[in-house]
Amino acid sequence: DAGVIQSPRHEVTEMGQEVTLRCKPISGHNSLFWYRQTMMRGLELLIYFNNNVPIDDSGMPEDRFSAKMPNASFSTLKIQPSEPRDSAVYFCASKVGRGFNQPQHFGDGTRLSIL
Amino acid sequence: DAKTTQPPSMDCAEGRAANLPCNHSTISGNEYVYWYRQIHSQGPQYIIHGLKNNETNEMASLIITEDRKSSTLILPHATLRDTAVYYCTPNFGNEKLTFGTGTRLTIIP
Repeated sequence: DAGVIQSPRHEVTEMGQEVTLRCKPISGHNSLFWYRQTMMRGLELLIYFNNNVPIDDSGMPEDRFSAKMPNASFSTLKIQPSEPRDSAVYFCASKVGRGFNQPQHFGDGTRLSIL
Repeated sequence: DAKTTQPPSMDCAEGRAANLPCNHSTISGNEYVYWYRQIHSQGPQYIIHGLKNNETNEMASLIITEDRKSSTLILPHATLRDTAVYYCTPNFGNEKLTFGTGTRLTIIP
């Protein structure tokens, strides 16, 4: 079975540029999560969706970050304009339904470097 | 969010059982304990979760104390491929998984 698919796997760009990260959740999963991992802060939840609707975006660092989920099989995380401090590994995860008794399954992440 | 406490590192001999402890003393009644691991440069991999009863699957066993304030992940026959950082993360009343610094487990040949 296909897991969570993220693209690109690596992205290097100059500060000020727009960056778009993409995620395809596991088929049939209707909750989707975006996380960011850095050495300093560990793994942090940025935003999560249920049935394509954003439920909690309190972890989004600032207005330069935006996330969308236009349909059940696709989500994007956009940074505009990008800054060097945005350099991190960004993970997408998905799960079945809402509630506490279902695990989240993670993709292999996008390693983002802003020069 | 409430905190979890895990030892920063552990070693285990290949073929032996690896027992990884986690303290989650502020866990609430309906919050599950989740265990994940992360092998270098990969995404976190789900291992197991539980509420109050002990659980076992093909990867590991989870022992939860009766007061639910701590748990132990058991890898019954550790292999070199089990070397990873292991995270214990209750979901603290919401959908968030709060990953701390975890335990870096090294399997020794």
